[in-house]
Amino acid sequence: DIQMTQSPSTLSASMGDRVTITCRASQSISRWLAWYQQKPGKAPNLLIYEASTLQSGVPSRFSGSGSGTEFTLTISSLQPDDFATYYCQQYNTYPLTFGGGTKVEIK
Amino acid sequence: QLVESGGGLVQPGGSLRLSCAASGFTFSNYWMTWVRQAPGKGLEWVANIKEDGSEKYYVDSVKGRLTISRDNAKNSLYLQMNSLRAEDTAVYYCARGRVIMDVWGRGTTVTVSS
Repeated sequence: DIQMTQSPSTLSASMGDRVTITCRASQSISRWLAWYQQKPGKAPNLLIYEASTLQSGVPSRFSGSGSGTEFTLTISSLQPDDFATYYCQQYNTYPLTFGGGTKVEIK
Repeated sequence: QLVESGGGLVQPGGSLRLSCAASGFTFSNYWMTWVRQAPGKGLEWVANIKEDGSEKYYVDSVKGRLTISRDNAKNSLYLQMNSLRAEDTAVYYCARGRVIMDVWGRGTTVTVSS
């Protein structure tokens, strides 16, 4: 199985900060990576797929980059609605696997 | 919209059948997926099923115990859960998509405990 490792596991930031979350795959997954946002008690919400394609309706302050084994999710200017947990997910190979999550907290 | 139902408390070794009712899109045109989340933990992909039900894929830990199925006439997705274990305790989400999940339900909670 492909292991997905996210860092950091928790991130403390302030409104307006630029935030970067890293996701590493245990083997190359080309650009077959998605990012999801999840708020407490809610279902995940798709933000980005194919490493950098923004899902319809997602604010442009979110962006993704990377290929192979290393990927990043960047929030250019943190907004109140962005405090949540973020997960990466590879879809290069079955079983589909998620990273352990990065919780973005208010500093 | 996706709405799950059928969760509850079940003893180890027991069975449960989850349902997911779809509306607002042409259900028969989409692969569908089950994803679960244990309490306080991350997301785990469980299984997915092709539009016509002819292909199904599972995570190894549930093979032979959990079975995904669908009824396109009823716009419904199912997860038959047998031989349940404590580690199956989770919120189960149904989601639209084969490998990228763009619409999710709110989830239904399954607790396996004696």
